[in-house]
Amino acid sequence: ETGVTQSPTHLIKTRGQQVTLRCSSQSGHNTVSWYQQALGQGPQFIFQYYREEENGRGNFPPRFSGLQFPNYSSELNVNALELDDSALYLCASSLGTFNNEKLFFGSGTQLSVL
Amino acid sequence: GESVGLHLPTLSVQEGDNSIINCAYSNSASDYFIWYKQESGKGPQFIIDIRSNMDKRQGQRVTVLLNKTVKHLSLQIAATQPGDSAVYFCAENPTSGSARQLTFGSGTQLTVLP
Repeated sequence: ETGVTQSPTHLIKTRGQQVTLRCSSQSGHNTVSWYQQALGQGPQFIFQYYREEENGRGNFPPRFSGLQFPNYSSELNVNALELDDSALYLCASSLGTFNNEKLFFGSGTQLSVL
Repeated sequence: GESVGLHLPTLSVQEGDNSIINCAYSNSASDYFIWYKQESGKGPQFIIDIRSNMDKRQGQRVTVLLNKTVKHLSLQIAATQPGDSAVYFCAENPTSGSARQLTFGSGTQLTVLP
């Protein structure tokens, strides 16, 4: 186990709704990254948070947004859900933003949009 | 855009044999490469990493080889065990940007036969 916890584990929403996913980073880790993993694909980088600020973003629309809290936990918010948003959402924590810090992934939240 | 790709989507090996999983990358700016293992229902688990100034790195039962000339990465697993059955992803991190923004391949499903 990595010490990265995500909630909920599964979620079902309908198109147009909004969703909030949560992540608690591994103890001592100050950086959180979010990835989207579609079925049968590798994870895709959404964005990273460091010291409560967004520190890099992948090719995702603005309806994907996030927060990081003083305790380094993080939220991923997705507005106006679309069917293609159905995926496994992974949170990863690391100590620092670059260099060779390893990413430790949680088990993810499986989101289904109907 | 540039992306990481894998040569084979599936690989079956006999228990006890060695496994070799290959990966091609196209971003010449990448300086850091990682192999992850993902079991069903879990997030990716770090296996081994290698920086671009190295061509080989060994871990416990695993070896990563990097050939920058042909932009090729491989993961060798010695004496493959049933617990090694999983999807294996290679990932790269380009030197540009401040975030730990990994680009993942689509994965290889490794099945260990009894």
